[in-house]
Amino acid sequence: SYELTQPPSVSVSPGQTARITCSGDALPKQYAYWYQQKPGQAPVLVIYKDSERPSGIPERFSGSSSGTTVTLTISGVQAEDEADYYCQSADSSGTYDVVFGGGTKLTVL
Amino acid sequence: EVQLVESGGGLVQPGGSLRLSCAASGFTFSSYWMSWVRQAPGKGLEWVANIKQDGSEKYYVDSVKGRFTISRDNAKNSLYLQMNSLRAEDTAVYYCARKGQLTGEYYFDYWGQGTLVTVSS
Repeated sequence: SYELTQPPSVSVSPGQTARITCSGDALPKQYAYWYQQKPGQAPVLVIYKDSERPSGIPERFSGSSSGTTVTLTISGVQAEDEADYYCQSADSSGTYDVVFGGGTKLTVL
Repeated sequence: EVQLVESGGGLVQPGGSLRLSCAASGFTFSSYWMSWVRQAPGKGLEWVANIKQDGSEKYYVDSVKGRFTISRDNAKNSLYLQMNSLRAEDTAVYYCARKGQLTGEYYFDYWGQGTLVTVSS
């Protein structure tokens, strides 16, 4: 299997832009997905197929991809965005082996 | 409204067994791949297993192969995880999750609230 690498933590002030990266050799060939997880809660999908936003997710959440790195961007960060964020990808050739990044703790200062 | 409700977690001794269940509602359960994902205390998410709509294909993370078995009962709208030969490192919250609807892509669009499994003597 392969790995997805995320920074352990990112800190931003309210109203600023937070960028969380996820790197992996398979990312040029596979889509990435992002989940938000608040303490004591289940993860919530916030970005799918690198840059698509599910219904109900605020427009300040966006995603992008470049080579072996995908990025989750949160524009105009709010206090409620403080959470752990995980990237995820999967082998789509048939076995559907799923891989998660190690997670990034977003702190809103 | 899609709902996934896990049950069956608890305290078990090393080497013991436990069976987790996930009751699904609010969608056509038999039309979706389903999965188990776990999270050790204070750690990140780890995929455990996937099962196809009719149960004909199952995939596991290497660390649980030969010990865990994923299964489903479409008539009961239920997903299961039979866990044998449990180890301390299997201690985690276990989430039931539904595969998203995009063909050819594996991701999770709905999650249960999780059930805690503690392996300890």
